[in-house]
Amino acid sequence: QLQLQESGPGLVKPSETLSLTCTVSGGSISSTSYYWGWIRQPPGKGLEWIGNIYYGGSTYYNPSLKSRVTISVDTSKNQFSLKLSSVSAADTAMFYCARLQRQKSYFDYWGQGTLVTVSS
Amino acid sequence: QSALTQPASVSGSPGQSITISCTGTSSDVGNYDLVSWYQQHPDKAPKLMIYEGSKRPSGVSNRFSGSKSGITASLTISGLQAEDEADYYCCSYAGSSTLVFGGGTRLTVL
Repeated sequence: QLQLQESGPGLVKPSETLSLTCTVSGGSISSTSYYWGWIRQPPGKGLEWIGNIYYGGSTYYNPSLKSRVTISVDTSKNQFSLKLSSVSAADTAMFYCARLQRQKSYFDYWGQGTLVTVSS
Repeated sequence: QSALTQPASVSGSPGQSITISCTGTSSDVGNYDLVSWYQQHPDKAPKLMIYEGSKRPSGVSNRFSGSKSGITASLTISGLQAEDEADYYCCSYAGSSTLVFGGGTRLTVL
């Protein structure tokens, strides 16, 4: 059974860079069938797609976040990562990593999520 | 890229049917048969309920169905049960390998 697990600091200071890692177990990240994505959800609000990465390194970002987002992949560790720069309180959210079916554009496996708070 | 439009809330009694709409544009919902629906219970990760507009993953009840007309996709839940009370989100492919979510709909089972 595929599992995804987010990890990283739960508290980040304003103007700094938020960094999270998603570890994939029970399957290989190096599959041609999938992208690997990040989604966030501010407290009490809806889901927002952040971006996806292919195991080969191709990335696709939400245009509204593109200038601040970097997603990378480490196939040797079966992990992919998110960096969000110049954060503010508005970036406080639950962050989820998920597997995206590449040709059909749906997320079929999700991590449990990790809450990141931006505060000094 | 604007969020898809969903009603903030819907409600129904046990046994009834409800439909949640998801309105996009000709650049997303109207141009691709790639709408998915997710159920989210409080403090839980979203769960895939419908993909490619109308297909159900293994294990999802056949009480859940999806459809699309023009720029509006819909999720219908028949035979409402208490366990269906949750937030529901639509998501559509929006071209150039981008995705867009709806604002979410809270379903209350009366």
